[in-house]
Amino acid sequence: GENVEQHPSTLSVQEGDSAVIKCTYSDSASNYFPWYKQELGKRPQLIIDIRSNVGEKKDQRIAVTLNKTAKHFSLHITETQPEDSAVYFCAATDNNNDMRFGAGTRLTVKP
Amino acid sequence: DVKVTQSSRYLVKRTGEKVFLECVQDMDHENMFWYRQDPGLGLRLIYFSYDVKMKEKGDIPEGYSVSREKKERFSLILESASTNQTSMYLCASSLQGFSYEQYFGPGTRLTVT
Repeated sequence: GENVEQHPSTLSVQEGDSAVIKCTYSDSASNYFPWYKQELGKRPQLIIDIRSNVGEKKDQRIAVTLNKTAKHFSLHITETQPEDSAVYFCAATDNNNDMRFGAGTRLTVKP
Repeated sequence: DVKVTQSSRYLVKRTGEKVFLECVQDMDHENMFWYRQDPGLGLRLIYFSYDVKMKEKGDIPEGYSVSREKKERFSLILESASTNQTSMYLCASSLQGFSYEQYFGPGTRLTVT
């Protein structure tokens, strides 16, 4: 089955700096990689996702890159703002609908 | 606007009690999921359902059961609550399984004493 590892578990950056969160997965058949953001006391919400036929996807200040050979994918947030402070979860899904979430990264953006 | 609601935000139960957590979605989604969220462990899948009256075990089904009698409603049942089931429980729904966006409910923080 799928196994997803997420690093770092906590990340603190200065406002305006970039933040990068990395996830590795074990199942080479995985084909869908979403990222969810969970603000304090709120529900997780999808912020960006990527499928295995694409290497990179960007949406304004956030981007996700996928390296299928190395089996890792990363979330990049540029020009961070205090409202980016949250817990971010990655996940990976394969064709058998075997899905796993990473343990989460708590991002703190200091003003 | 899509909406997933859960019956309670906070719940305190005693060991051995039977506990019902209910989830309702108004998006006509086929798929519904129950997760528990614990610090350092992320979201772990308890059960999911592809259709009415259908259910599949996730990674940690022990001590839980589910019911899906109507498309919009997915219930999680703790037959005999134990202290190690103290956790945040999140319900979610999606249009087509795991490979599409999941919409989460606000969560129920369950404490078992």
